[in-house]
Amino acid sequence: AQKVTQAQTEISVVEKEDVTLDCVYETRDTTYYLFWYKQPPSGELVFLIRRNSFDEQNEISGRYSWNFQKSTSSFNFTITASQVVDSAVYFCALRSNYGGSQGNLIFGKGTKLSVKP
Amino acid sequence: GAGVSQSPRYKVTKRGQDVALRCDPISGHVSLYWYRQALGQGPEFLTYFNYEAQQDKSGLPNDRFSAERPEGSISTLTIQRTEQRDSAMYRCASSLAITGEQYFGPGTRLTVT
Repeated sequence: AQKVTQAQTEISVVEKEDVTLDCVYETRDTTYYLFWYKQPPSGELVFLIRRNSFDEQNEISGRYSWNFQKSTSSFNFTITASQVVDSAVYFCALRSNYGGSQGNLIFGKGTKLSVKP
Repeated sequence: GAGVSQSPRYKVTKRGQDVALRCDPISGHVSLYWYRQALGQGPEFLTYFNYEAQQDKSGLPNDRFSAERPEGSISTLTIQRTEQRDSAMYRCASSLAITGEQYFGPGTRLTVT
């Protein structure tokens, strides 16, 4: 089965705190892609990052960093020194070829992050 | 350049009516996807196209739902004989290639009364 689990439904932090959003995935495929999207209160879905299964290097982009660990099937997302503008729902997603499907993303249920001033 | 656009942004329709939702992908993007997002949930896959070919429609809930992309650019998702349970945000996304990141449009909020 293919599945993405975001166990944290809601997280609330105070500005400047660091916060980590967890993502655990399941797939039988050896080739797959992982994604993070941000959905601010305005409702659009904003692409943040794509990672393929062969690249386990961690990535940093400004205050954002991602930790991909195949051994634990996790792709966690950390925001350093959070800001009020980071308040949003964050979705983790998986794309793999298992079962013949090649195109679609399988999304987790999302984690709602609230950053308070 | 311009992102993915969808129209209408909001659609209220009466139960039993047909609706057509339009998606205009990013220019040059080969792959186009339709998703449905219920409140408080992540998007759920409906169908996708490479160029004009519908590659996977396994996510379409039933035969009242159909989609087309006749010239490999704009796509239309049609829901016939709408039901209240069809109320949701319908999102379109496109990607340069099948393995690429998907960029989403603003969505069409469909309400069936």
